Amino acid sequence: SQTIHQWPATLVQPVGSPLSLECTVEGTSNPNLYWYRQAAGRGLQLLFYSVGIGQISSEVPQNLSASRPQDRQFILSSKKLLLSDSGFYLCAWSGLAGYEQYFGPGTRLTVT
Amino acid sequence: DAKTTQPNSMESNEEEPVHLPCNHSTISGTDYIHWYRQLPSQGPEYVIHGLTSNVNNRMASLAIAEDRKSSTLILHRATLRDAAVYYCILKSSGSARQLTFGSGTQLTVLP
Repeated sequence: SQTIHQWPATLVQPVGSPLSLECTVEGTSNPNLYWYRQAAGRGLQLLFYSVGIGQISSEVPQNLSASRPQDRQFILSSKKLLLSDSGFYLCAWSGLAGYEQYFGPGTRLTVT
Repeated sequence: DAKTTQPNSMESNEEEPVHLPCNHSTISGTDYIHWYRQLPSQGPEYVIHGLTSNVNNRMASLAIAEDRKSSTLILHRATLRDAAVYYCILKSSGSARQLTFGSGTQLTVLP
């Protein structure tokens, strides 16, 4: 069966510090991968998605970036965090058709 | 993707059926109707999806209006663990991109 992992589960970082969140998927090949963010009390906002290694599409211009160095690995990064980057970050995967997306446990990021 | 409209909140008693409505009057012919739910402090969880015909799975049933301008997610016997935000989402069959999450319906299940 397929499993999606995210780490860390929680993170507290000062403004201006770098960020690296990792997501890995097991039990499937060639998944579509997604990064979402959910601000407190808000809906989910898609940040990036990827249909293959090295292929990244950005939905919202901001100080975040994403990379997909391996088929089942998706990384979210920032060189300098802003207060507004605080939120609940979710990684998800889907098959090629994308009918069903499966979400990871999420990382709760607090920027202080 | 077309827009959906859901009530902000609903309440149900435990072990009773719950009908969660969703309006999508601008749905196109290639849009699938998806339902996800999000429990507190967790990522969303896929519930069910359909195109034209009613669908059933182990979690819920999806009733789709004949004109496809509305749909209803049916939880046959609500439990306390069903308390969550339920999202109704339209997604074109040709798109491998994002799910556009609205504000959803907060379901409260009363013991």
